[in-house]
Amino acid sequence: RKEVEQDPGPFNVPEGATVAFNCTYSNSASQSFFWYRQDCRKEPKLLMSVYSSGNEDGRFTAQLNRASQYISLLIRDSKLSDSATYLCVVNGGNQGGKLIFGQGTELSVKP
Amino acid sequence: EADIYQTPRYLVIGTGKKITLECSQTMGHDKMYWYQQDPGMELHLIHYSYGVNSTEKGDLSSESTVSRIRTEHFPLTLESARPSHTSQYLCASTGWGEDTQYFGPGTRLTVL
Repeated sequence: RKEVEQDPGPFNVPEGATVAFNCTYSNSASQSFFWYRQDCRKEPKLLMSVYSSGNEDGRFTAQLNRASQYISLLIRDSKLSDSATYLCVVNGGNQGGKLIFGQGTELSVKP
Repeated sequence: EADIYQTPRYLVIGTGKKITLECSQTMGHDKMYWYQQDPGMELHLIHYSYGVNSTEKGDLSSESTVSRIRTEHFPLTLESARPSHTSQYLCASTGWGEDTQYFGPGTRLTVL
């Protein structure tokens, strides 16, 4: 079993749709959680950190459920420019700052 | 924008050549990482460093080696490149006490 597992993609959605990505992690000692965005053939870039209380940044909302070891990302009113691969990332708990990356879920927003 | 740089951005080279991929950051970050990523696949950690003179192997076995003589510089070397080394190599760094990793633009390596 992978340490971080994400919904298999791709997600093909029309502009304006709401889309939700799910992620589960196996290391209960993990303390930090992130969503990164990676455009085709580019480097990953931090989209947002995920806090226990849930957090929102414009059209993006991230939720964390520690009991279920589950993380989600909701994108509202999706834009063409949201097309990318979204990576769920978890720190390795007591592994000294190493991050564990999920395999990513590809999103394609169509006009 | 993160101040982390990688050179070259693209490299096409013949089998058996020695290559060094450069990574440098100007943020004074202690921790630096090298990842390997094939197209459409996940990132795999191949090396990391927690400071000068500290290097460790990552989760994915790699024939490459790294060095960390200066805080800002973390080069990766392949003594004898092979076609199986063809991949994208991404360098990242993070400051002490942080978890967020900032990535360089990557080096896309093709070994013929």
